[in-house]
Amino acid sequence: LAKTTQPISMDSYEGQEVNITCSHNNIATNDYITWYQQFPSQGPRFIIQGYKTKVTNEVASLFIPADRKSSTLSLPRVSLSDTAVYYCLVGDMRGGSQGNLIFGKGTKLSVKP
Amino acid sequence: DTGVSQNPRHKITKRGQNVTFRCDPISEHNRLYWYRQTLGQGPEFLTYFQNEAQLEKSRLLSDRFSAERPKGSFSTLEIQRTEQGDSAMYLCASSPQGTGGYTFGSGTRLTVV
Repeated sequence: LAKTTQPISMDSYEGQEVNITCSHNNIATNDYITWYQQFPSQGPRFIIQGYKTKVTNEVASLFIPADRKSSTLSLPRVSLSDTAVYYCLVGDMRGGSQGNLIFGKGTKLSVKP
Repeated sequence: DTGVSQNPRHKITKRGQNVTFRCDPISEHNRLYWYRQTLGQGPEFLTYFQNEAQLEKSRLLSDRFSAERPKGSFSTLEIQRTEQGDSAMYLCASSPQGTGGYTFGSGTRLTVV
């Protein structure tokens, strides 16, 4: 069971780059790293997923070092609308126990003008 | 396809009553998940289906909870003899088998009075 540790909260200003790091020391060989964003009264929204090195899409980048014991979600030039809770999940999406994909409390990002 | 649909959005019920929620997943997705989320916490896994088979249930899913997914399409989550502690947001998600993230619905907020 890959437990994750994230900061409880972070503050930023509009236009800045935000990096949220997640620690997952006991990640297993078959585990992927997935990040979600959640606004109040909505379900989480998939942001990005990776296995190793770097993954980039239109909204974020995910950096994973060679030992895979941590990962960093990078949000370029945040805006007020990026204020949300961000969750890091680690687990084998392809099979096995889906109940082992634990959301935790996430990181509450507050973007200020 | 408009994504994962959950009904109703809100439900207020008296303690001891039974309630049923419905989830319509993305049609191409063969996996369907139920989560529960309370204020300030991340979503907690309840159960998941692959097609019509319920493959995993959390210990959180007491005997008062039952979920079904007839014909591998929509799913229902029933709570019998509701208790005040059942008050929460109930989230449904779906995914294709394999890697990739979950697509969540907007949830059903249950209030037990």
